[in-house]
Amino acid sequence: KAGVTQTPRYLIKTRGQQVTLSCSPISGHRSVSWYQQTPGQGLQFLFEYFSETQRNKGNFPGRFSGRQFSNSRSEMNVSTLELGDSALYLCASSLVGPLTGELFFGEGSRLTVL
Amino acid sequence: AQSVTQLDSQVPVFEEAPVELRCNYSSSVSVYLFWYVQYPNQGLQLLLKYLSGSTLVKGINGFEAEFNKSQTSFHLRKPSVHISDTAEYFCAVNGPFNQAGTALIFGKGTTLSVSS
Repeated sequence: KAGVTQTPRYLIKTRGQQVTLSCSPISGHRSVSWYQQTPGQGLQFLFEYFSETQRNKGNFPGRFSGRQFSNSRSEMNVSTLELGDSALYLCASSLVGPLTGELFFGEGSRLTVL
Repeated sequence: AQSVTQLDSQVPVFEEAPVELRCNYSSSVSVYLFWYVQYPNQGLQLLLKYLSGSTLVKGINGFEAEFNKSQTSFHLRKPSVHISDTAEYFCAVNGPFNQAGTALIFGKGTTLSVSS
């Protein structure tokens, strides 16, 4: 079956702009989690959605937001980009949630902010 | 608060040698522990998980880990590594429960480099 698909894979933005990243989970998976990966901080949890509801949120400023659609596809948005937002953004899906279910990760969207 | 410490940022080994990647955790709730692997330019893949039961957990690709509650550790081991095991390895623990969901808290990763 098809894996987790993230688009775009690479993008370059300038400070102050906004960006939207998309994630299509594995068919049948209702939980989508987002993580930010940087060399200094490692993997940091952004938020998790299940059936269009945000169930959990990490410690990120309000510039980071997300949503999930009825078909379980998810988007995350970062407004007013800062240089420190440069990172690999990973999306992961699972059947019911990250705790007892295996997380399936996409290859990520690499964002560079200039 | 939950946290994970991976004690080695880089582990170089020769092919066919044994390897141990160390992970210590801190948690105030029931512990679920995971090891994930990330190959270059790819997403993470689950190697193994401990939810309950036997403290020795076997995963894919010949890896295993042992849950040690008294030492709050979950070290990953493989008796004989291959070049193809070269990757970054992440230990993770369940975060605090919030509403009906939770999140995984990841360590900063250990880069395993296998050479011939």
